[in-house]
Amino acid sequence: TQLLEQSPQFLSIQEGENLTVYCNSSSVFSSLQWYRQEPGEGPVLLVTVVTGGEVKKLKRLTFQFGDARKDSSLHITAAQPGDTGLYLCAGSQAGGYNKLIFGAGTRLAVHP
Amino acid sequence: DTEVTQTPKHLVMGMTNKKSLKCEQHMGHRAMYWYKQKAKKPPELMFVYSYEKLSINESVPSRFSPECPNSSLLNLHLHALQPEDSALYLCASSRDDRGGYAEAFFGQGTRLTVV
Repeated sequence: TQLLEQSPQFLSIQEGENLTVYCNSSSVFSSLQWYRQEPGEGPVLLVTVVTGGEVKKLKRLTFQFGDARKDSSLHITAAQPGDTGLYLCAGSQAGGYNKLIFGAGTRLAVHP
Repeated sequence: DTEVTQTPKHLVMGMTNKKSLKCEQHMGHRAMYWYKQKAKKPPELMFVYSYEKLSINESVPSRFSPECPNSSLLNLHLHALQPEDSALYLCASSRDDRGGYAEAFFGQGTRLTVV
């Protein structure tokens, strides 16, 4: 059973388009992290959200944590080819002994 | 400095070999992790160390043996692996935060091929 459902699994868009990736769960998380991973490399931490309703911006990327801390979204404005990669959400729960629970990932391809 | 360093970057080993993967961090983190990632899949947790003690073993076969010699180093000893163990092995570290607020930082990974 996947505790964190991530959608869509694949996204192929043209440069300049906007997109949103979703990460949903029936469980509450203390925090949720978003990572971007390129082939053959380790995931790179983009942002951590901890407060229900929180919105964080990182240049053209906007991250939101749901009010109930069960879901999160990543919105990219005016996507560029450099945004291509695997986007992973990962949640952490209190009493989880530092265990991160990963979503299945969204593979994004941005074409020039 | 948010760097986690893994060596080697690539490793090819035979099924009868013994090898070790190494991981180092100097962020003062007291939780360290090993993850395994197969192609087109998310990372799967293998082991968690907290204050140099093994706190989670996700039912990993004994041919994988973790070791945490000190708070900055984490090793993964490999012996008698199978071809299906070929994967990207990722090390990560974070604060030890049982409240679930710690951010995990990953190394670049070791691409392991078992022949």
